[in-house]
Amino acid sequence: RKEVEQDPGPFNVPEGATVAFNCTYSNSASQSFFWYRQDCRKEPKLLMSVYSSGNEDGRFTAQLNRASQYISLLIRDSKLSDSATYLCAVNRGTGRRALTFGSGTRLQVQP
Amino acid sequence: NAGVTQTPKFQVLKTGQSMTLQCAQDMNHEYMSWYRQDPGMGLRLIHYSVGAGITDQGEVPNGYNVSRSTTEDFPLRLLSAAPSQTSVYFCASRLDRGIGNEQFFGPGTRLTVL
Repeated sequence: RKEVEQDPGPFNVPEGATVAFNCTYSNSASQSFFWYRQDCRKEPKLLMSVYSSGNEDGRFTAQLNRASQYISLLIRDSKLSDSATYLCAVNRGTGRRALTFGSGTRLQVQP
Repeated sequence: NAGVTQTPKFQVLKTGQSMTLQCAQDMNHEYMSWYRQDPGMGLRLIHYSVGAGITDQGEVPNGYNVSRSTTEDFPLRLLSAAPSQTSVYFCASRLDRGIGNEQFFGPGTRLTVL
């Protein structure tokens, strides 16, 4: 089982729709969580960190569910410019303290 | 600040050739890492460094070497290229080992091994 798993999609949604992605992680001791956005043939860029209490940044809301070991990303009022691949990343906080990434979920917002 | 820079952007090698992928950052970050990204596999950690003079292996280190003689630079060396090393390579840096710090990525090097 992969340490971090995501549904690869693609998720095809119309402009203005609300879409949600989940990401599951296998190590219950994981300590920090992130969502990254990656545009085609570009580097990943941090979209938002995910806090225990959940956090919101404009149209984006991230949640953490430790009991079920998943994080989620909700995008409201989707824009064409939201089309990208969304990567979740987890840091166990021990050992290497490196980020472990899921393989990404592709979102295509259609006019 | 230029952030994290990588050279070259593209490279084609023949099997058995060696080369060095360059990575530099100007943010005075202690923690640097190399990932490779393959379709359906996500980003996989090759090597990482927590400071000048300190490097360690990641998840997929075989066939790669690294060194960190300065805070700014973290080159990745392919010793004898193989077709299985065809991939997109990303260098990344963050302030330190703190797990909440934002990680920044370079623009990537697209490597093809024939």
